[in-house]
Amino acid sequence: GENVEQHPSTLSVQEGDSAVIKCTYSDSASNYFPWYKQELGKRPQLIIDIRSNVGEKKDQRIAVTLNKTAKHFSLHITETQPEDSAVYFCAASRMNNNDMRFGAGTRLTVKP
Amino acid sequence: KAGVTQTPRYLIKTRGQQVTLSCSPISGHRSVSWYQQTPGQGLQFLFEYFSETQRNKGNFPGRFSGRQFSNSRSEMNVSTLELGDSALYLCASSLAGGQAEAFFGQGTRLTVV
Repeated sequence: GENVEQHPSTLSVQEGDSAVIKCTYSDSASNYFPWYKQELGKRPQLIIDIRSNVGEKKDQRIAVTLNKTAKHFSLHITETQPEDSAVYFCAASRMNNNDMRFGAGTRLTVKP
Repeated sequence: KAGVTQTPRYLIKTRGQQVTLSCSPISGHRSVSWYQQTPGQGLQFLFEYFSETQRNKGNFPGRFSGRQFSNSRSEMNVSTLELGDSALYLCASSLAGGQAEAFFGQGTRLTVV
């Protein structure tokens, strides 16, 4: 099955700086890559996703890039704010198959 | 539209007992996945059900089982509980799976003593 690795496990940045979280996946057939944000005591919620037919997607301060050849994808958060502090999970799955595997998570702390 | 509902929210069980957790997906969603979340281990995939059939399975022992009913509600059962089964169990529902957004429930916090 799919194996997703995520780095770093913890990330601390100063407010206003950028944060980058990277994931690699093993199954070359994977073609859907969502990112979830989980705030303390809350459920994970989708913040952005990308499909394999595009290399980059942006939504305000959040962007995701995908390199299918290298089998890695990254989350970029610009102009970080304290409310961005949370655990972020990347995931990968195949079309028509909801065998969605998650990375181990990155705990992001944005210091004011 | 109601979100994904998991019951109960909290459970305390004794080693060796069994437990059943319930997940009601968003109306119209046919895919339900279950995950175990522990500190440092992230979200570990247990299994996924679609149209009452287990479609995918993670690397958990046979003590972990599940089922899905015709109304898409799903249950997860853990038999012969071990201390290491203490975790937050999350279910997620999506329209069909694959490239559809998964919506998570609040989870059931299971403590095995």
